[in-house]
Amino acid sequence: AQSVTQPDIHITVSEGASLELRCNYSYGATPYLFWYVQSPGQGLQLLLKYFSGDTLVQGIKGFEAEFKRSQSSFNLRKPSVHWSDAAEYFCAVGAGVSKLTFGTGTRLQVTL
Amino acid sequence: DGGITQSPKYLFRKEGQNVTLSCEQNLNHDAMYWYRQDPGQGLRLIYYSQIVNDFQKGDIAEGYSVSREKKESFPLTVTSAQKNPTAFYLCASSIESPRQKLFFGSGTQLSVL
Repeated sequence: AQSVTQPDIHITVSEGASLELRCNYSYGATPYLFWYVQSPGQGLQLLLKYFSGDTLVQGIKGFEAEFKRSQSSFNLRKPSVHWSDAAEYFCAVGAGVSKLTFGTGTRLQVTL
Repeated sequence: DGGITQSPKYLFRKEGQNVTLSCEQNLNHDAMYWYRQDPGQGLRLIYYSQIVNDFQKGDIAEGYSVSREKKESFPLTVTSAQKNPTAFYLCASSIESPRQKLFFGSGTQLSVL
């Protein structure tokens, strides 16, 4: 069975600092991997996705993520966080859009 | 603007009552989905539909029902059999292809009176 672990429930960073959100997955083959972001009381928006090829993927809003097969990880990074990045971030894994398993999310707080 | 519209934003259910959450999309997507979100539990799939007049159960379908009579609409009914319905419900749609992304509505918060 596929599963996703986001070990950090809550992270606080200062504006301008770098960010890394962790995502570890369990899956039998090379999965499709996604990062979504959710603002309070809203739906989710796709930040980036990985299917194959280059293991470093670029997304919207200056985010990137790196697929590391040996570590079963797909961590999300941003070199300089903005106050508007405060939100909840979800990692998802699966064989396709109708077969996704979502992690429990990491809530990001940004201090000024 | 193209998108997904969920209504109402807030909904209250009395004991023993069925309630229906609306989801409409004008993205011309074939596939539509309902997710339940509880604090600290991420999103869990309730039902999905890949084509009109057809739908499949997700991981937590018990106590819920859906219909897909039109491509644009995918209403979710929370029945009285669902004993713990308080949650944030998200509707999504996508092009029917494994590599496509989900487009989400802004959600409905359902609470029990």
